[in-house]
Amino acid sequence: TQLLEQSPQFLSIQEGENLTVYCNSSSVFSSLQWYRQEPGEGPVLLVTVVTGGEVKKLKRLTFQFGDARKDSSLHITAAQPGDTGLYLCAGLNTGNQFYFGTGTSLTVIP
Amino acid sequence: GAVVSQHPSRVICKSGTSVKIECRSLDFQATTMFWYRQFPKKSLMLMATSNEGSKATYEQGVEKDKFLINHASLTLSTLTVTSAHPEDSSFYICSARSGTSGRAGELFFGEGSRLTVL
Repeated sequence: TQLLEQSPQFLSIQEGENLTVYCNSSSVFSSLQWYRQEPGEGPVLLVTVVTGGEVKKLKRLTFQFGDARKDSSLHITAAQPGDTGLYLCAGLNTGNQFYFGTGTSLTVIP
Repeated sequence: GAVVSQHPSRVICKSGTSVKIECRSLDFQATTMFWYRQFPKKSLMLMATSNEGSKATYEQGVEKDKFLINHASLTLSTLTVTSAHPEDSSFYICSARSGTSGRAGELFFGEGSRLTVL
């Protein structure tokens, strides 16, 4: 079961462009995380958001948690080829189960 | 930092055999471990949630008799794929949740195990 829907599923952009990835659900999550995964490796945590409306910045990455704690977004400014990868949101629900979103595969073309 | 070790990283087996994958938390006690399956270029699908000393909670559609999960200690959980078939070939990833004060709830991932069933 995947309770978190991500959009877009695939994204190919030129270096220097900006992009936003969305993570939506009808369920409420006590916390939500964003990960980046390289092929053949486990996901690497980028950020955790806990409070509704929270905004966190990590260099060129900006993460936002929706007011109702049902959705989140990841915005990348001036994308670089090194940003290429599979981006996953993931949420811990009230039942203590940890679900991943459907994933967004990003390719940044030099 | 906290580390979760998964072994083996790659395994190839014949159809009909069973394969065990281990997930260990190396420097913290994991009260909860999660097992995921991932197909190429797809997201991680939660298979089951395992709590130390109790039976695992399986997600809908996951065969508990085929994917045996044992969480015998606070640092070790195992996933056994029984009577493996080619359609079981996949990337399996575990994650462990710390119950340690100060880091409670933080989730750490193993490196993943690539299973290929011939």
